[in-house]
Amino acid sequence: EADIYQTPRYLVIGTGKKITLECSQTMGHDKMYWYQQDPGMELHLIHYSYGVNSTEKGDLSSESTVSRIRTEHFPLTLESARPSHTSQYLCASGPGETQYFGPGTRLLVL
Amino acid sequence: GIQVEQSPPDLILQEGANSTLRCNFSDSVNNLQWFHQNPWGQLINLFYIPSGTKQNGRLSATTVATERYSLLYISSSQTTDSGVYFCAFGGSQGNLIFGKGTKLSVKP
Repeated sequence: EADIYQTPRYLVIGTGKKITLECSQTMGHDKMYWYQQDPGMELHLIHYSYGVNSTEKGDLSSESTVSRIRTEHFPLTLESARPSHTSQYLCASGPGETQYFGPGTRLLVL
Repeated sequence: GIQVEQSPPDLILQEGANSTLRCNFSDSVNNLQWFHQNPWGQLINLFYIPSGTKQNGRLSATTVATERYSLLYISSSQTTDSGVYFCAFGGSQGNLIFGKGTKLSVKP
């Protein structure tokens, strides 16, 4: 099973701030994903990557951006946080069909 | 796109009871999986089960691909089984598409 880490676990921040959510995995998986989940709701894909220098937007429109400079690292950045960005953000990676999820970052934008 | 329906949406059990959660699909799906999201938000892989039956301890799952449904069985439920159970299937971008989940509360 993959070891996948996310930091911070919780973040409270003011409107207009720039934030970066970190995601790292130690299993060498090429495929990595970011999902957004509102409380009590299903997960929605916002970004994915098939490998280094590969990034794509998912089905759910998002004002965030991602980068994939190293295989193990897939950070997500919000240039200017807004209250509508309040949500839980889950990072996942996988070798193929199966995906393994990090613990998530709960973001609250005031 | 393919529609997925999970039932029931909410379930309250007394500790020790058994339960069956269901996932119906509007069309054939690939890479069907079951997850448990604990009260702290962590998603835990339960089963990768595109077809057939698997068992892991008190949990088992069955997928009948030809009839487009999957079932998750929980026997002798414990309070630690509480949380939300999601089924998910493979999307065109290699991602997972999730159902809305079944929220399970197991009372002592």
